[in-house]
Amino acid sequence: ETGVTQSPTHLIKTRGQQVTLRCSSQSGHNTVSWYQQALGQGPQFIFQYYREEENGRGNFPPRFSGLQFPNYSSELNVNALELDDSALYLCASSLGGAMRYEQYFGPGTRLTVT
Amino acid sequence: QQQVKQSPQSLIVQKGGISIINCAYENTAFDYFPWYQQFPGKGPALLIAIRPDVSEKKEGRFTISFNKSAKQFSLHIMDSQPGDSATYFCAAQLLFNDYKLSFGAGTTVTVRA
Repeated sequence: ETGVTQSPTHLIKTRGQQVTLRCSSQSGHNTVSWYQQALGQGPQFIFQYYREEENGRGNFPPRFSGLQFPNYSSELNVNALELDDSALYLCASSLGGAMRYEQYFGPGTRLTVT
Repeated sequence: QQQVKQSPQSLIVQKGGISIINCAYENTAFDYFPWYQQFPGKGPALLIAIRPDVSEKKEGRFTISFNKSAKQFSLHIMDSQPGDSATYFCAAQLLFNDYKLSFGAGTTVTVRA
């Protein structure tokens, strides 16, 4: 069974640019959640996708957007990057239905905005 | 507004000792409380979790104690080992909603050999 994978591992972007981060969910999981983890802090919920539909969003501006594909992989897009967007971006997947709460995290993508 | 408050920020324990991490929450609607362990350069890994209808849950050397009336819960790591050195996050979740995890700020545990 393959766990949650994310790409790329590290990324350096310039303020104002756009970035796309990718996540492949664990086999059999149809729900993907994205979190932002600033240095020394706990992860903060960005949004969740369930069966290709957004199913809940945290306190993040619209320039954070996402997609989920039919194979349940997902993308996180961030437009107009700001310095404060520098963080570890984590993807978590979970089974559908009654087990949707049990989330398994990938290793993350470290984004640095200069 | 942080919905889950975690303490201490860091702790050092001798090998074989007990590590205790405390968390408090505000939202009484939370109904699932997991703990995650994170090593440097890795994503958080689900360690143990508890529902509010149970006061204690034990898995190996890890025990969660839950006090619903005080809105507090804690993680006890018994017989701490150097391999337990990591950052631990408590979290709270609303089941049957968007399932988002609300995390505490984390506790860095260092186990000295």
